[in-house]
Order: sequence, then structure tokens, then C-alpha cells
Amino acid sequence: DIVLTQSPGTLSLSPGERATLSCRASQSVGSGYFAWYQQKPGQAPRLLIHGASSRAPGIPDRFSGGGSGTDFTLTINRLEPEDVAVYYCQQYGSSPRTFGQGTKVEIK
Amino acid sequence: QVQLVQSGAEVKKPGASVKISCKTSGYTFTSYYMHWVRQAPGQGPEWMGIIYPSGGGTNYAHKFQATVTMTRDTSTSTVYMELSSLRSDDTAVYYCARGAYGSGTYGAFDTWGQGTLVTVSS
Repeated sequence: DIVLTQSPGTLSLSPGERATLSCRASQSVGSGYFAWYQQKPGQAPRLLIHGASSRAPGIPDRFSGGGSGTDFTLTINRLEPEDVAVYYCQQYGSSPRTFGQGTKVEIK
Repeated sequence: QVQLVQSGAEVKKPGASVKISCKTSGYTFTSYYMHWVRQAPGQGPEWMGIIYPSGGGTNYAHKFQATVTMTRDTSTSTVYMELSSLRSDDTAVYYCARGAYGSGTYGAFDTWGQGTLVTVSS
């Protein structure tokens, strides 16, 4: 199984700052089949990024994804209060699909 | 628009089974794979398996192969997930999620149901 390790565990930033979230895979993710999700309390996860760098429909361009192989990043520019959530990475290029343990983004 | 609407919360005793439904609308049911994912309290999501609504084929995560059954009803555009031999550590929110943006069975989860809380307690 591909293990995904996210860092940091918690990110506390001020509004308007840039958040950089990392995810490292234990082995290379096939075909760039890598995604990022946002989850707010009491809600289902919401797809932000697929294919490592493609934004899902309706996702603001403040969110961007990058990386390949085993190292991936999610960048949130101009952080807004509504971005407070837990962010999960996921690989869907091999079975079982696996998720990271999450990065919590807080606003100072 | 695409919608996945799940059945309501369940409380079960250890050893029992639970069957959750996920009714779809707003797209061609037989054209997209459907995944089941669970999330225990305070934990990250965990993938359970996938079903192809067109032919009914399934692929389960190794952990769940002995206890999970995924089925579908094309007449009502609904998929089902049944989990048997429940234990306390099966207490979680269970989600159905549509696969898209990939190739074949390998897709990101673009639409999720609202979740179904299953509580296993004696």
C-alpha cells in the first residue's frame, strides 16, 4: 500500500498569507493520479485538485497543486477565513486508494 | 446537478450487519464508478472499495474483503454497501463518492454523499 505522510500537522497563519501543505508518498504515484480534498467540520470532503495540478470546477484559483512522483504540494494563496479546514491528500493511481492523515489550517 | 443522497444514521450491536444506500441523480448512473469511504472519529478517510454500476463488478480493499458487499440497483440509480460482523471500531461516518477525472477505475472522488453515521455499541 502507498502510505501518504502530510506535513505539517497544523498550520496557523494570518489572513492574506500563503499556506503551503506537503504530502510525501512512500512510493511513486502512478500517472499523476493525485488529489487534494478540503473538509470542514460536519461536512464531507470536497475535491480541490485532481491529476496533481488540475483544479476541480468551482475551486478558486487561490488553490494550486503541484508535484510529481513522491512529493506533492497544495498552495493556498491569500488565505481567507473560509479556508479554515482539514486538508487531505490522496493517491488514486493504485489499489488500495489511500489518504494522508490531514493538515489542519487555522487562522490566527 | 450531480447528487448523492445517503440513508440515515444507524445504531447497531456488535456482530450485526448494516446496509447503507446511496441514491444518485443528475448524471448517467452506469457511466461512473462509485467508491465507498469511511472516516472514524478524528481520523482521515479510509477507502473501502469500488463498484462499477454498469456491470456490478467490485473491488474491495483487502481489509474489508471478508465483511463488505457492494451492490447496485440500476432501476433506481442506487448503490448499496453492506458491512457485516460489526465491531466497535467500525463506528464511523460512511460515504459514497463518485469516481471521475481519471482513467478506468482510477478516478478522483468528485462528488460525495452527505455521509451516514454508523455507531456500533452494545
